[in-house]
This record gives sequence, structure tokens and C-alpha cells, in this order.
Amino acid sequence: DAGVTQSPTHLIKTRGQQVTLRCSPKSGHDTVSWYQQALGQGPQFIFQYYEEEERQRGNFPDRFSGHQFPNYSSELNVNALLLGDSALYLCASSSPTGRTEAFFGQGTRLTVV
Amino acid sequence: DQQVKQNSPSLSVQEGRISILNCDYTNSMFDYFLWYKKYPAEGPTFLISISSIKDKNEDGRFTVFLNKSAKHLSLHIVPSQPGDSAVYFCAANPLIGNQFYFGTGTSLTVIP
Repeated sequence: DAGVTQSPTHLIKTRGQQVTLRCSPKSGHDTVSWYQQALGQGPQFIFQYYEEEERQRGNFPDRFSGHQFPNYSSELNVNALLLGDSALYLCASSSPTGRTEAFFGQGTRLTVV
Repeated sequence: DQQVKQNSPSLSVQEGRISILNCDYTNSMFDYFLWYKKYPAEGPTFLISISSIKDKNEDGRFTVFLNKSAKHLSLHIVPSQPGDSAVYFCAANPLIGNQFYFGTGTSLTVIP
């Protein structure tokens, strides 16, 4: 079992550019959530996808968008990058049945310069 | 608006002793709580969880205690081992909603 995999692991972008981050969930999981972890902070919920639909969204601007594919993998897109978007972006997958833990990938470290 | 708080940024403990990590929350709608461990350059790894219908859950060396009236939970690690050195995050999930609310983490160092 490969667990949750994210790509790329590191990324450097220029302010104003757009970025796409990718996530493959753990085998058997069909729910994917994205979190942003700024330096010295805990992860902050961006949104969750289930059945290819955004099921819930945190307090992030519309510059943050996502997509889930039929194979349950997911993308996070961020437009018009700001310096403050520099963070570790974590993908988590979970099963929709019951209250269970989420499994996290290793994250993508995004640096905006 | 930090709904989950870990007021101790760091903690040092001697190997073999007990580590106690604390977490407070403000939202009374939280009813499921989790602890995650994070090593540098890795994603958070699930450790242990507890539902609000319980006040204690144990898994090997790890025990989580929940005090609902005080809106407080704690993670006990006994005995502590050097490999336990990591950042520990407390997280909470509300009755309605799918997101986890995380604290800011406590960096645990276990000294050999």
C-alpha cells in the first residue's frame, strides 16, 4: 500500500503565477482533503472532495480551487500566487464511513518569490 | 480564531519517563479528537483518537484523556523513547462537518 502520495515535493513559483499540486489517496479511500500549513502553525483546512464534488470548504479565497478525478486522485490549484501562499500543502485521504482518522501525504513545499 | 490550542510549543523529557502533551479547545461542537505526530519532511502520522462519549483511550504506550467539561485533552506517552521526538498536533472534528481543526503543535524532545 503506497499510502497518500503527493507531487511535486518542492516547488518554487513567482508571485502572480499559478500552481497545480497533485495527490493520490490511499488505496480504498475516496475522500480527499487539502490543508495548508504555514511555518510554525498547524494545518489549516482548505477544502474536501468526495464523489468529484467539493463537499466542504474552509476560509480560503476563490484563488484556491480543486478537482477530484474518477480514480479519486485530486488536484489543488492556486491562482495569482502571493508571497503569503508559501507553505507546506498537505493532502489527506479518508474513508467516508464513520468517524475515522485521515491519512496524510508528505506534503508539497511551495515557495513563492 | 484558534479553536484548538496547544500552549506549550516545546517539551523535553528524559527517556523512560512520562511525556504529557496538552490541548485545549473552545468549540463545544467538537466531538472527535485525534493526535498526530510529525517528523521533519514528512506528513502528519495518526497516533490515537477519542470520541466524546469516552474519557480515555489507550493504545500501547499512548493514552489520550478527554475532559469535556474543561474542554481539555492530553496525550500521555509512557515510557518515552528517543524515537518519539517529533512535533505532536492535536486535532478536533465537529459533529457536523468534515474538517479537522489543528492546534499549533508541541515539539517533543526525548533525551537519551
